[in-house]
Amino acid sequence: AQSVTQLGSHVSVSEGALVLLRCNYSSSVPPYLFWYVQYPNQGLQLLLKYTSAATLVKGINGFEAEFKKSETSFHLTKPSAHMSDAAEYFCAVNSWAAGNKLTFGGGTRVLVKP
Amino acid sequence: GAGVSQSPRYKVTKRGQDVALRCDPISGHVSLYWYRQALGQGPEFLTYFNYEAQQDKSGLPNDRFSAERPEGSISTLTIQRTEQRDSAMYRCASSPRGADYGYTFGSGTRLTVV
Repeated sequence: AQSVTQLGSHVSVSEGALVLLRCNYSSSVPPYLFWYVQYPNQGLQLLLKYTSAATLVKGINGFEAEFKKSETSFHLTKPSAHMSDAAEYFCAVNSWAAGNKLTFGGGTRVLVKP
Repeated sequence: GAGVSQSPRYKVTKRGQDVALRCDPISGHVSLYWYRQALGQGPEFLTYFNYEAQQDKSGLPNDRFSAERPEGSISTLTIQRTEQRDSAMYRCASSPRGADYGYTFGSGTRLTVV
């Protein structure tokens, strides 16, 4: 079985401050990992993905995430928050052992304060 | 098409009625997925297809839910005898093949059962 835990359902950051969203996964085999972003009244958009190449993955809008196997983590960061980063962020995991489908975490809503 | 298209965007139906939700995936995408997302939660897997074959329907909550993709392109998710607990956002996604490289999501259908 595979699962994803996102620590913190809400995160509040000041504009210009570091954004850190935590994601831990469980998977019986090496996983593929993803971060998606959902803006209000829109669909989910792929931010970045880890597919067993480089452990530090860069995505769109200045976000990046680091795969740490020893910690079973895939935390998302952005050095400097912008007002446009206010959205909900979802971590997801896929492994063939679990049936070739994404399992999503519960999401973290980011609020950016001016 | 250029993206994943879902219709209707909003659907309000009376309890006990049947509803059909439509998904038109990106042209040429082999895999098509259906998810359900309750407010404040992550997407929950329902079922998926490769071409016209339903590969996994383990997420369908009960036998009132069914899905088909008869020609390997457009898919319909049908909910019979709707109940208030079926109210949610229903999301469709497609991928070139499988989940390894992530999905492209549609904007979703917001279903409200009154």
